Amino acid sequence: DGGITQSPKYLFRKEGQNVTLSCEQNLNHDAMYWYRQDPGQGLRLIYYSQIVNDFQKGDIAEGYSVSREKKESFPLTVTSAQKNPTAFYLCASSISSGVDSNQPQHFGDGTRLSIL
Amino acid sequence: AQKVTQAQTEISVVEKEDVTLDCVYETRDTTYYLFWYKQPPSGELVFLIRRNSFDEQNEISGRYSWNFQKSTSSFNFTITASQVVDSAVYFCALSEAISSGSARQLTFGSGTQLTVLP
Repeated sequence: DGGITQSPKYLFRKEGQNVTLSCEQNLNHDAMYWYRQDPGQGLRLIYYSQIVNDFQKGDIAEGYSVSREKKESFPLTVTSAQKNPTAFYLCASSISSGVDSNQPQHFGDGTRLSIL
Repeated sequence: AQKVTQAQTEISVVEKEDVTLDCVYETRDTTYYLFWYKQPPSGELVFLIRRNSFDEQNEISGRYSWNFQKSTSSFNFTITASQVVDSAVYFCALSEAISSGSARQLTFGSGTQLTVLP
């Protein structure tokens, strides 16, 4: 079945450690996104990518990094510079993200990151 | 700045009651898109509906209906004859241009937690 797979479902980070969250899609979508969700809040955009080998910062990119070497994959690294990383992270994709696009974003099941 | 407001933080209803979730938005774009997503306890976001700014026709899909009113910048969502399985967090979202001639991003409201009691 086509969809978005995020792994792991739960992740724990030690102080000073970088961790990488995986996001893979087999929907043949061009655009991919990473969001952060804190309790009782909506989603905030961390990074997005419109095409392979290109990505842009969202509203809260500090302390995060991404890569887009393949169309199917958009991993997110939470670096030690992110001082408050505990949150629920959601990856999404859409057919395109162009200015005229009204395509809905499809979401993965999320990764819950906690600090040890 | 573009903004989505969901003033209802939590709503509880008894099964079979109708419930309306409110969404008010602000945007300077003349062309924009509105979405509703559902987030069940498992965490994933499920797409429910999208509307573009030129289409004010309201829609009914089974027990769900949506009321888009551009004059009041509102995009409300009603569940008729609610069921326990409808319990979830519901998010309203606005699609805006990230930068001129470039991509769009979704701005989410803070969500409404709906609990349907048996």
